[in-house]
Amino acid sequence: RKEVEQDPGPFNVPEGATVAFNCTYSNSASQSFFWYRQDCRKEPKLLMSVYSSGNEDGRFTAQLNRASQYISLLIRDSKLSDSATYLCVVNKGGKGSGGGADGLTFGKGTHLIIQP
Amino acid sequence: NAGVTQTPKFRILKIGQSMTLQCTQDMNHNYMYWYRQDPGMGLKLIYYSVGAGITDKGEVPNGYNVSRSTTEDFPLRLELAAPSQTSVYFCASSYTASGGTRQETQYFGPGTRLLVL
Repeated sequence: RKEVEQDPGPFNVPEGATVAFNCTYSNSASQSFFWYRQDCRKEPKLLMSVYSSGNEDGRFTAQLNRASQYISLLIRDSKLSDSATYLCVVNKGGKGSGGGADGLTFGKGTHLIIQP
Repeated sequence: NAGVTQTPKFRILKIGQSMTLQCTQDMNHNYMYWYRQDPGMGLKLIYYSVGAGITDKGEVPNGYNVSRSTTEDFPLRLELAAPSQTSVYFCASSYTASGGTRQETQYFGPGTRLLVL
């Protein structure tokens, strides 16, 4: 299994719909999980951290399933402005785990297109 | 705060030329990073630094060098540019408390697009 794996998409979704995508990670020792958003030709920006109990920020909900080693992102009532690439980011765990500065692995991203 | 700034925004190099990509952050972050992102690929860590005077290799360090003489600046040097170094380069920074165990949020600069011909 790749370290961090995402479906590259694209996901073509009508405006107002709900869309969900998952990310799987290989290292069971990973402790920190994030979703970043990257617009075309721009830098990645943090969308939300993912906590064990799951967390919600407005229309966005993130879930973590440690047993199955996957993270999910749910977007409700999607807007045109949600069109972007969503990067799943996981810390490596093990050696350099947690605060290890070299410890983040970025997925290749899932491309989301919201259609009017 | 300007956050993380990078210069130049875009550069074309000939094979064998050298250049320095500049990165500055004004958030007093202790950790800084250099990544490269190739089309359709995830970010790959080139070098990182946990504080002034301390640098270490990431996943893809070959062909690059870094220095960290101040907390704010973390330049990336390409000594002999090769076509394989054509990419988008992102600098990032984060703050982690001493002895911290969490990987904290990284803040990215706008990137430098490099084309080596």
